[in-house]
Amino acid sequence: EVVMMQSPATLSVSAGERVTLSCRASQSVSTILAWYQQKPGQAPRLLIYGASTRATGVPARFSGSGSGTEFTLTISSLQSEDFAVYYCQQYNKWPLTFGQGTRLEIK
Amino acid sequence: QVQLVQSGGGVVQPGRSLTLSCSASGFTFSNYAMHWVRQAPGKGLEWVALISTDGNNKYYADSVNGRFTVSRDNSKNTLSLQMNSLSADDTAVYFCAKDPLDCVGDCYTAYFDYWGQGTLVTVSS
Repeated sequence: EVVMMQSPATLSVSAGERVTLSCRASQSVSTILAWYQQKPGQAPRLLIYGASTRATGVPARFSGSGSGTEFTLTISSLQSEDFAVYYCQQYNKWPLTFGQGTRLEIK
Repeated sequence: QVQLVQSGGGVVQPGRSLTLSCSASGFTFSNYAMHWVRQAPGKGLEWVALISTDGNNKYYADSVNGRFTVSRDNSKNTLSLQMNSLSADDTAVYFCAKDPLDCVGDCYTAYFDYWGQGTLVTVSS
């Protein structure tokens, strides 16, 4: 099983800041990786697929990069609506696996 | 627009069974593989099952294999998850989710572009 590890677990940031979230895979998943945003009480929302392609309707302040085992999600200027939990997911190998999530908190 | 509306869920005793449903609209249901993903209270996401567009191919997480059965009725645009021999470890919010790949047969990309609203399953005596 590919273990996905996200860091940090929690990040306290201020609106307007640039933030980078990390996701590491225990073995190479090429660029077969997605990022999701989840707000309390809601279903996850797809942000990024193929490691770097924004999903439909996702603002340009969200960007993804990386390949192999190291990936990042960058939010260029945090908006109030971006405070949420972010998950990475690899879909290169079975079983499909998610990271444990990074929570963005308001500083 | 794509909508996935879930039903079922609730409190069930250990060892008993429960069936979840997911009603799809806004897209050609028969052209997309579908998934179930769950989230234990306060925890992360866990993929549970995948069913191909025609229902002929099914894949399960080891944690549910042999106890859960995913099915679909393309004539009714409905996805189902039958859960047997439930235990406390199965307590979670269950989401149905759509695969993005428009195709026919055993084809999928295995990420999730649309999600249902989730339904809570609590296994407790």
